Amino acid sequence: DVKVTQSSRYLVKRTGEKVFLECVQDMDHENMFWYRQDPGLGLRLIYFSYDVKMKEKGDIPEGYSVSREKKERFSLILESASTNQTSMYLCASSLSRSNYGYTFGSGTRLTVV
Amino acid sequence: SQQGEEDPQALSIQEGENATMNCSYKTSINNLQWYRQNSGRGLVHLILIRSNEREKHSGRLRVTLDTSKKSSSLLITASRAADTASYFCATGRGSNDYKLSFGAGTTVTVRA
Repeated sequence: DVKVTQSSRYLVKRTGEKVFLECVQDMDHENMFWYRQDPGLGLRLIYFSYDVKMKEKGDIPEGYSVSREKKERFSLILESASTNQTSMYLCASSLSRSNYGYTFGSGTRLTVV
Repeated sequence: SQQGEEDPQALSIQEGENATMNCSYKTSINNLQWYRQNSGRGLVHLILIRSNEREKHSGRLRVTLDTSKKSSSLLITASRAADTASYFCATGRGSNDYKLSFGAGTTVTVRA
């Protein structure tokens, strides 16, 4: 069964900490995505990557960065966590630019205190 | 930016009934997808419909697309308790149509 695995289900961090959220897929997918989900706002795209070492900003990249050193791994970094980054973070992958269906991870619920 | 908006925000139905939810979007699309999310979990891909298609079926799911009205509908027939979830539409457009924009979702509750 194909999988997208997010390293933590729940995470509590302090304001100002540097936070790493890890995502690994085992499907040899080209594209990987990071979304955050907040009540009433749906999913908003933070960053995405269509190839190793390639990254593009989504709709809300401020306060975040990403790293994709290997095809299977896409990391989201909160440089200095703030309380307004408390959210559910969802990682997803898709096979290619012409095959669109996403496979999602189970999500990481991050609380910044 | 959010492209799709689902309607209604919430829906409560009896087991065995049909559930219909709608998605409207603002700009031309290449494809539209529907996803399901069970409470607090990741989303699961249900169905994809391309802009040149009008209707697609998958099991108890029926999706329609009306590009002239910039809208889509998802019908779940003969609903079951296990269909209780949030449903999201997502659109891909332009040269980066593999990058999806999601709506805020419709929460469906199926009562036993």
